[in-house]
Amino acid sequence: DAGITQSPRHKVTETGTPVTLRCHQTENHRYMYWYRQDPGHGLRLIHYSYGVKDTDKGEVSDGYSVSRSKTEDFLLTLESATSSQTSVYFCATSKRDTVQETQYFGPGTRLLVL
Amino acid sequence: KNEVEQSPQNLTAQEGEFITINCSYSVGISALHWLQQHPGGGIVSLFMLSSGKKKHGRLIATINIQEKHSSLHITASHPRDSAVYICAVRLRETSGSRLTFGEGTQLTVNP
Repeated sequence: DAGITQSPRHKVTETGTPVTLRCHQTENHRYMYWYRQDPGHGLRLIHYSYGVKDTDKGEVSDGYSVSRSKTEDFLLTLESATSSQTSVYFCATSKRDTVQETQYFGPGTRLLVL
Repeated sequence: KNEVEQSPQNLTAQEGEFITINCSYSVGISALHWLQQHPGGGIVSLFMLSSGKKKHGRLIATINIQEKHSSLHITASHPRDSAVYICAVRLRETSGSRLTFGEGTQLTVNP
């Protein structure tokens, strides 16, 4: 285990409210990723970070923002949650940005937007 | 069409059976990963392949780069192997360790 935790693990919220998910790692990995997992789709990359304050968009970034002020924390914010953002969110980390690098996953956060 | 296709989507087997899960991809890749997602949701990496074959215990993963195809085999399957198995590729055109994932294969092994 790469010591990755996510909080909260479950959340129910209403449409239009802001939501922040936290990913915390204790492995000092430089790279961190946020994915969402939905039926009929594989894991899809939302945003990723390649260092403190360095982030970039993934394939499904609309409606999401991220921040990374410390190596160990990567926050995902839904500024105004919509029902289409109901999903399971996974954080992952990797030590290096190389072809052969393994990603380590957090336990996931189940988000329901009503 | 997804860049990564897995088959079958669902697979039910009896304990002891030999299991094969397939992954096909349509673009050039630098590496292919097999991951396992437990019923509780946790995801762990099983293998990373760029060529040939790898074996770990009862699990064997193979890749044929020319045919753009990989297989994950489980020998002497056991109910604890029940999980979703996910194929993911590192596209040659993308930088770094970002992965593109298949939808997964739900495996159920009955006692």
